[in-house]
Amino acid sequence: GAVVSQHPSRVICKSGTSVKIECRSLDFQATTMFWYRQFPKQSLMLMATSNEGSKATYEQGVEKDKFLINHASLTLSTLTVTSAHPEDSSFYICSARDAGVAVAQPQHFGDGTRLSIL
Amino acid sequence: AQTVTQSQPEMSVQEAETVTLSCTYDTSESDYYLFWYKQPPSRQMILVIRQEAYKQQNATENRFSVNFQKAAKSFSLKISDSQLGDAAMYFCALHTGTASKLTFGTGTRLQVTL
Repeated sequence: GAVVSQHPSRVICKSGTSVKIECRSLDFQATTMFWYRQFPKQSLMLMATSNEGSKATYEQGVEKDKFLINHASLTLSTLTVTSAHPEDSSFYICSARDAGVAVAQPQHFGDGTRLSIL
Repeated sequence: AQTVTQSQPEMSVQEAETVTLSCTYDTSESDYYLFWYKQPPSRQMILVIRQEAYKQQNATENRFSVNFQKAAKSFSLKISDSQLGDAAMYFCALHTGTASKLTFGTGTRLQVTL
């Protein structure tokens, strides 16, 4: 089946550091990837839609300059949390849509990244 | 705008019994898809079952089945012969063609007891 690899799985860093999270589709091409944020015991909230070769589409209330998204190839999207602060601590999950199938086919999720800012 | 509501924050079921998780949704789209995802403690999102809105027949995947009531905008998940491994958070999700993105409910935590 389709596999999405997300790296790193866990990050602990100091306040003010910028952190990059990678999301890779391993066996399919993904023109569209999605980035979600999940607080403890809460649902997944879509942060942005990453489009290969173009600018990401951010959801209302998400700071574009804070959460930089780059989707430079059909298999890789990155999320960079710039100048991270403790309130950015959360679980971040990416998903990818297979470009070779219908739009409404299920998204394939990565295993998530737990980000802890000290 | 799309909304998904899961009114049961927690549910409990005995092993081998049956449990039903509720989900209601709202959308103005006529073409949409509904999903149930399972998130175990590992936090991985696992697709359980999907339903196309244009299909009247309820989807079934082994022990998992849905009761899709389109007019009522209801999409419940039934788990039969519950197993300990079914313990997880279950999220109902709506996908519409226009938005091209998933809208998740708040989740139901399912406990399976011996």
